[in-house]
Amino acid sequence: SQQGEEDPQALSIQEGENATMNCSYKTSINNLQWYRQNSGRGLVHLILIRSNEREKHSGRLRVTLDTSKKSSSLLITASRAADTASYFCATDAADSNYQLIWGAGTKLIIKP
Amino acid sequence: NAGVTQTPKFQVLKTGQSMTLQCAQDMNHEYMSWYRQDPGMGLRLIHYSVGAGITDQGEVPNGYNVSRSTTEDFPLRLLSAAPSQTSVYFCASSYSRSLPYTGELFFGEGSRLTVL
Repeated sequence: SQQGEEDPQALSIQEGENATMNCSYKTSINNLQWYRQNSGRGLVHLILIRSNEREKHSGRLRVTLDTSKKSSSLLITASRAADTASYFCATDAADSNYQLIWGAGTKLIIKP
Repeated sequence: NAGVTQTPKFQVLKTGQSMTLQCAQDMNHEYMSWYRQDPGMGLRLIHYSVGAGITDQGEVPNGYNVSRSTTEDFPLRLLSAAPSQTSVYFCASSYSRSLPYTGELFFGEGSRLTVL
């Protein structure tokens, strides 16, 4: 069963612009993670935000978490061609034995 | 610093054949897992292990077996391949060994399997 759902499914922007992706989930969580996947490669962990945190930064990445709306957003500022990838959110949930549940991802294309 | 290593990277099987996907990690992680990734869907957990000698089923375990005889290795066996098992398979490991099993996951590069 899918817990997280990313929005939009695909996003195409110009290099230098900011990219925002959203993730919604259904049940209460302990934490939410974001991962990046370059084409044909494995997933790489970007950032983890705990349920008692509202915002977290890592370099050009900013993640917010709104537990009342059961949603999170990932903002990439000053996008670069190298940011072209698929981005996935993953949440844990007590009713899934705390295993990570993954969304289907947002495909981000940065146009030069 | 190898991280998580998966072999083979590509494999074509005929229906009914069996094979083993290998996964090894050199980070002394207790937690290891296998996922499959299909187009338009999120990763789905097949099996996982929280230490040598301990394995458990995930969301989609049917048609797959695992074992964990050492901390480093976690092979995934397809018993009798079916076209529905055509997918990309990822092995992932984590330092997390207790609930919730949700520490940062380190992924291999994937094994692309086609079943004809």
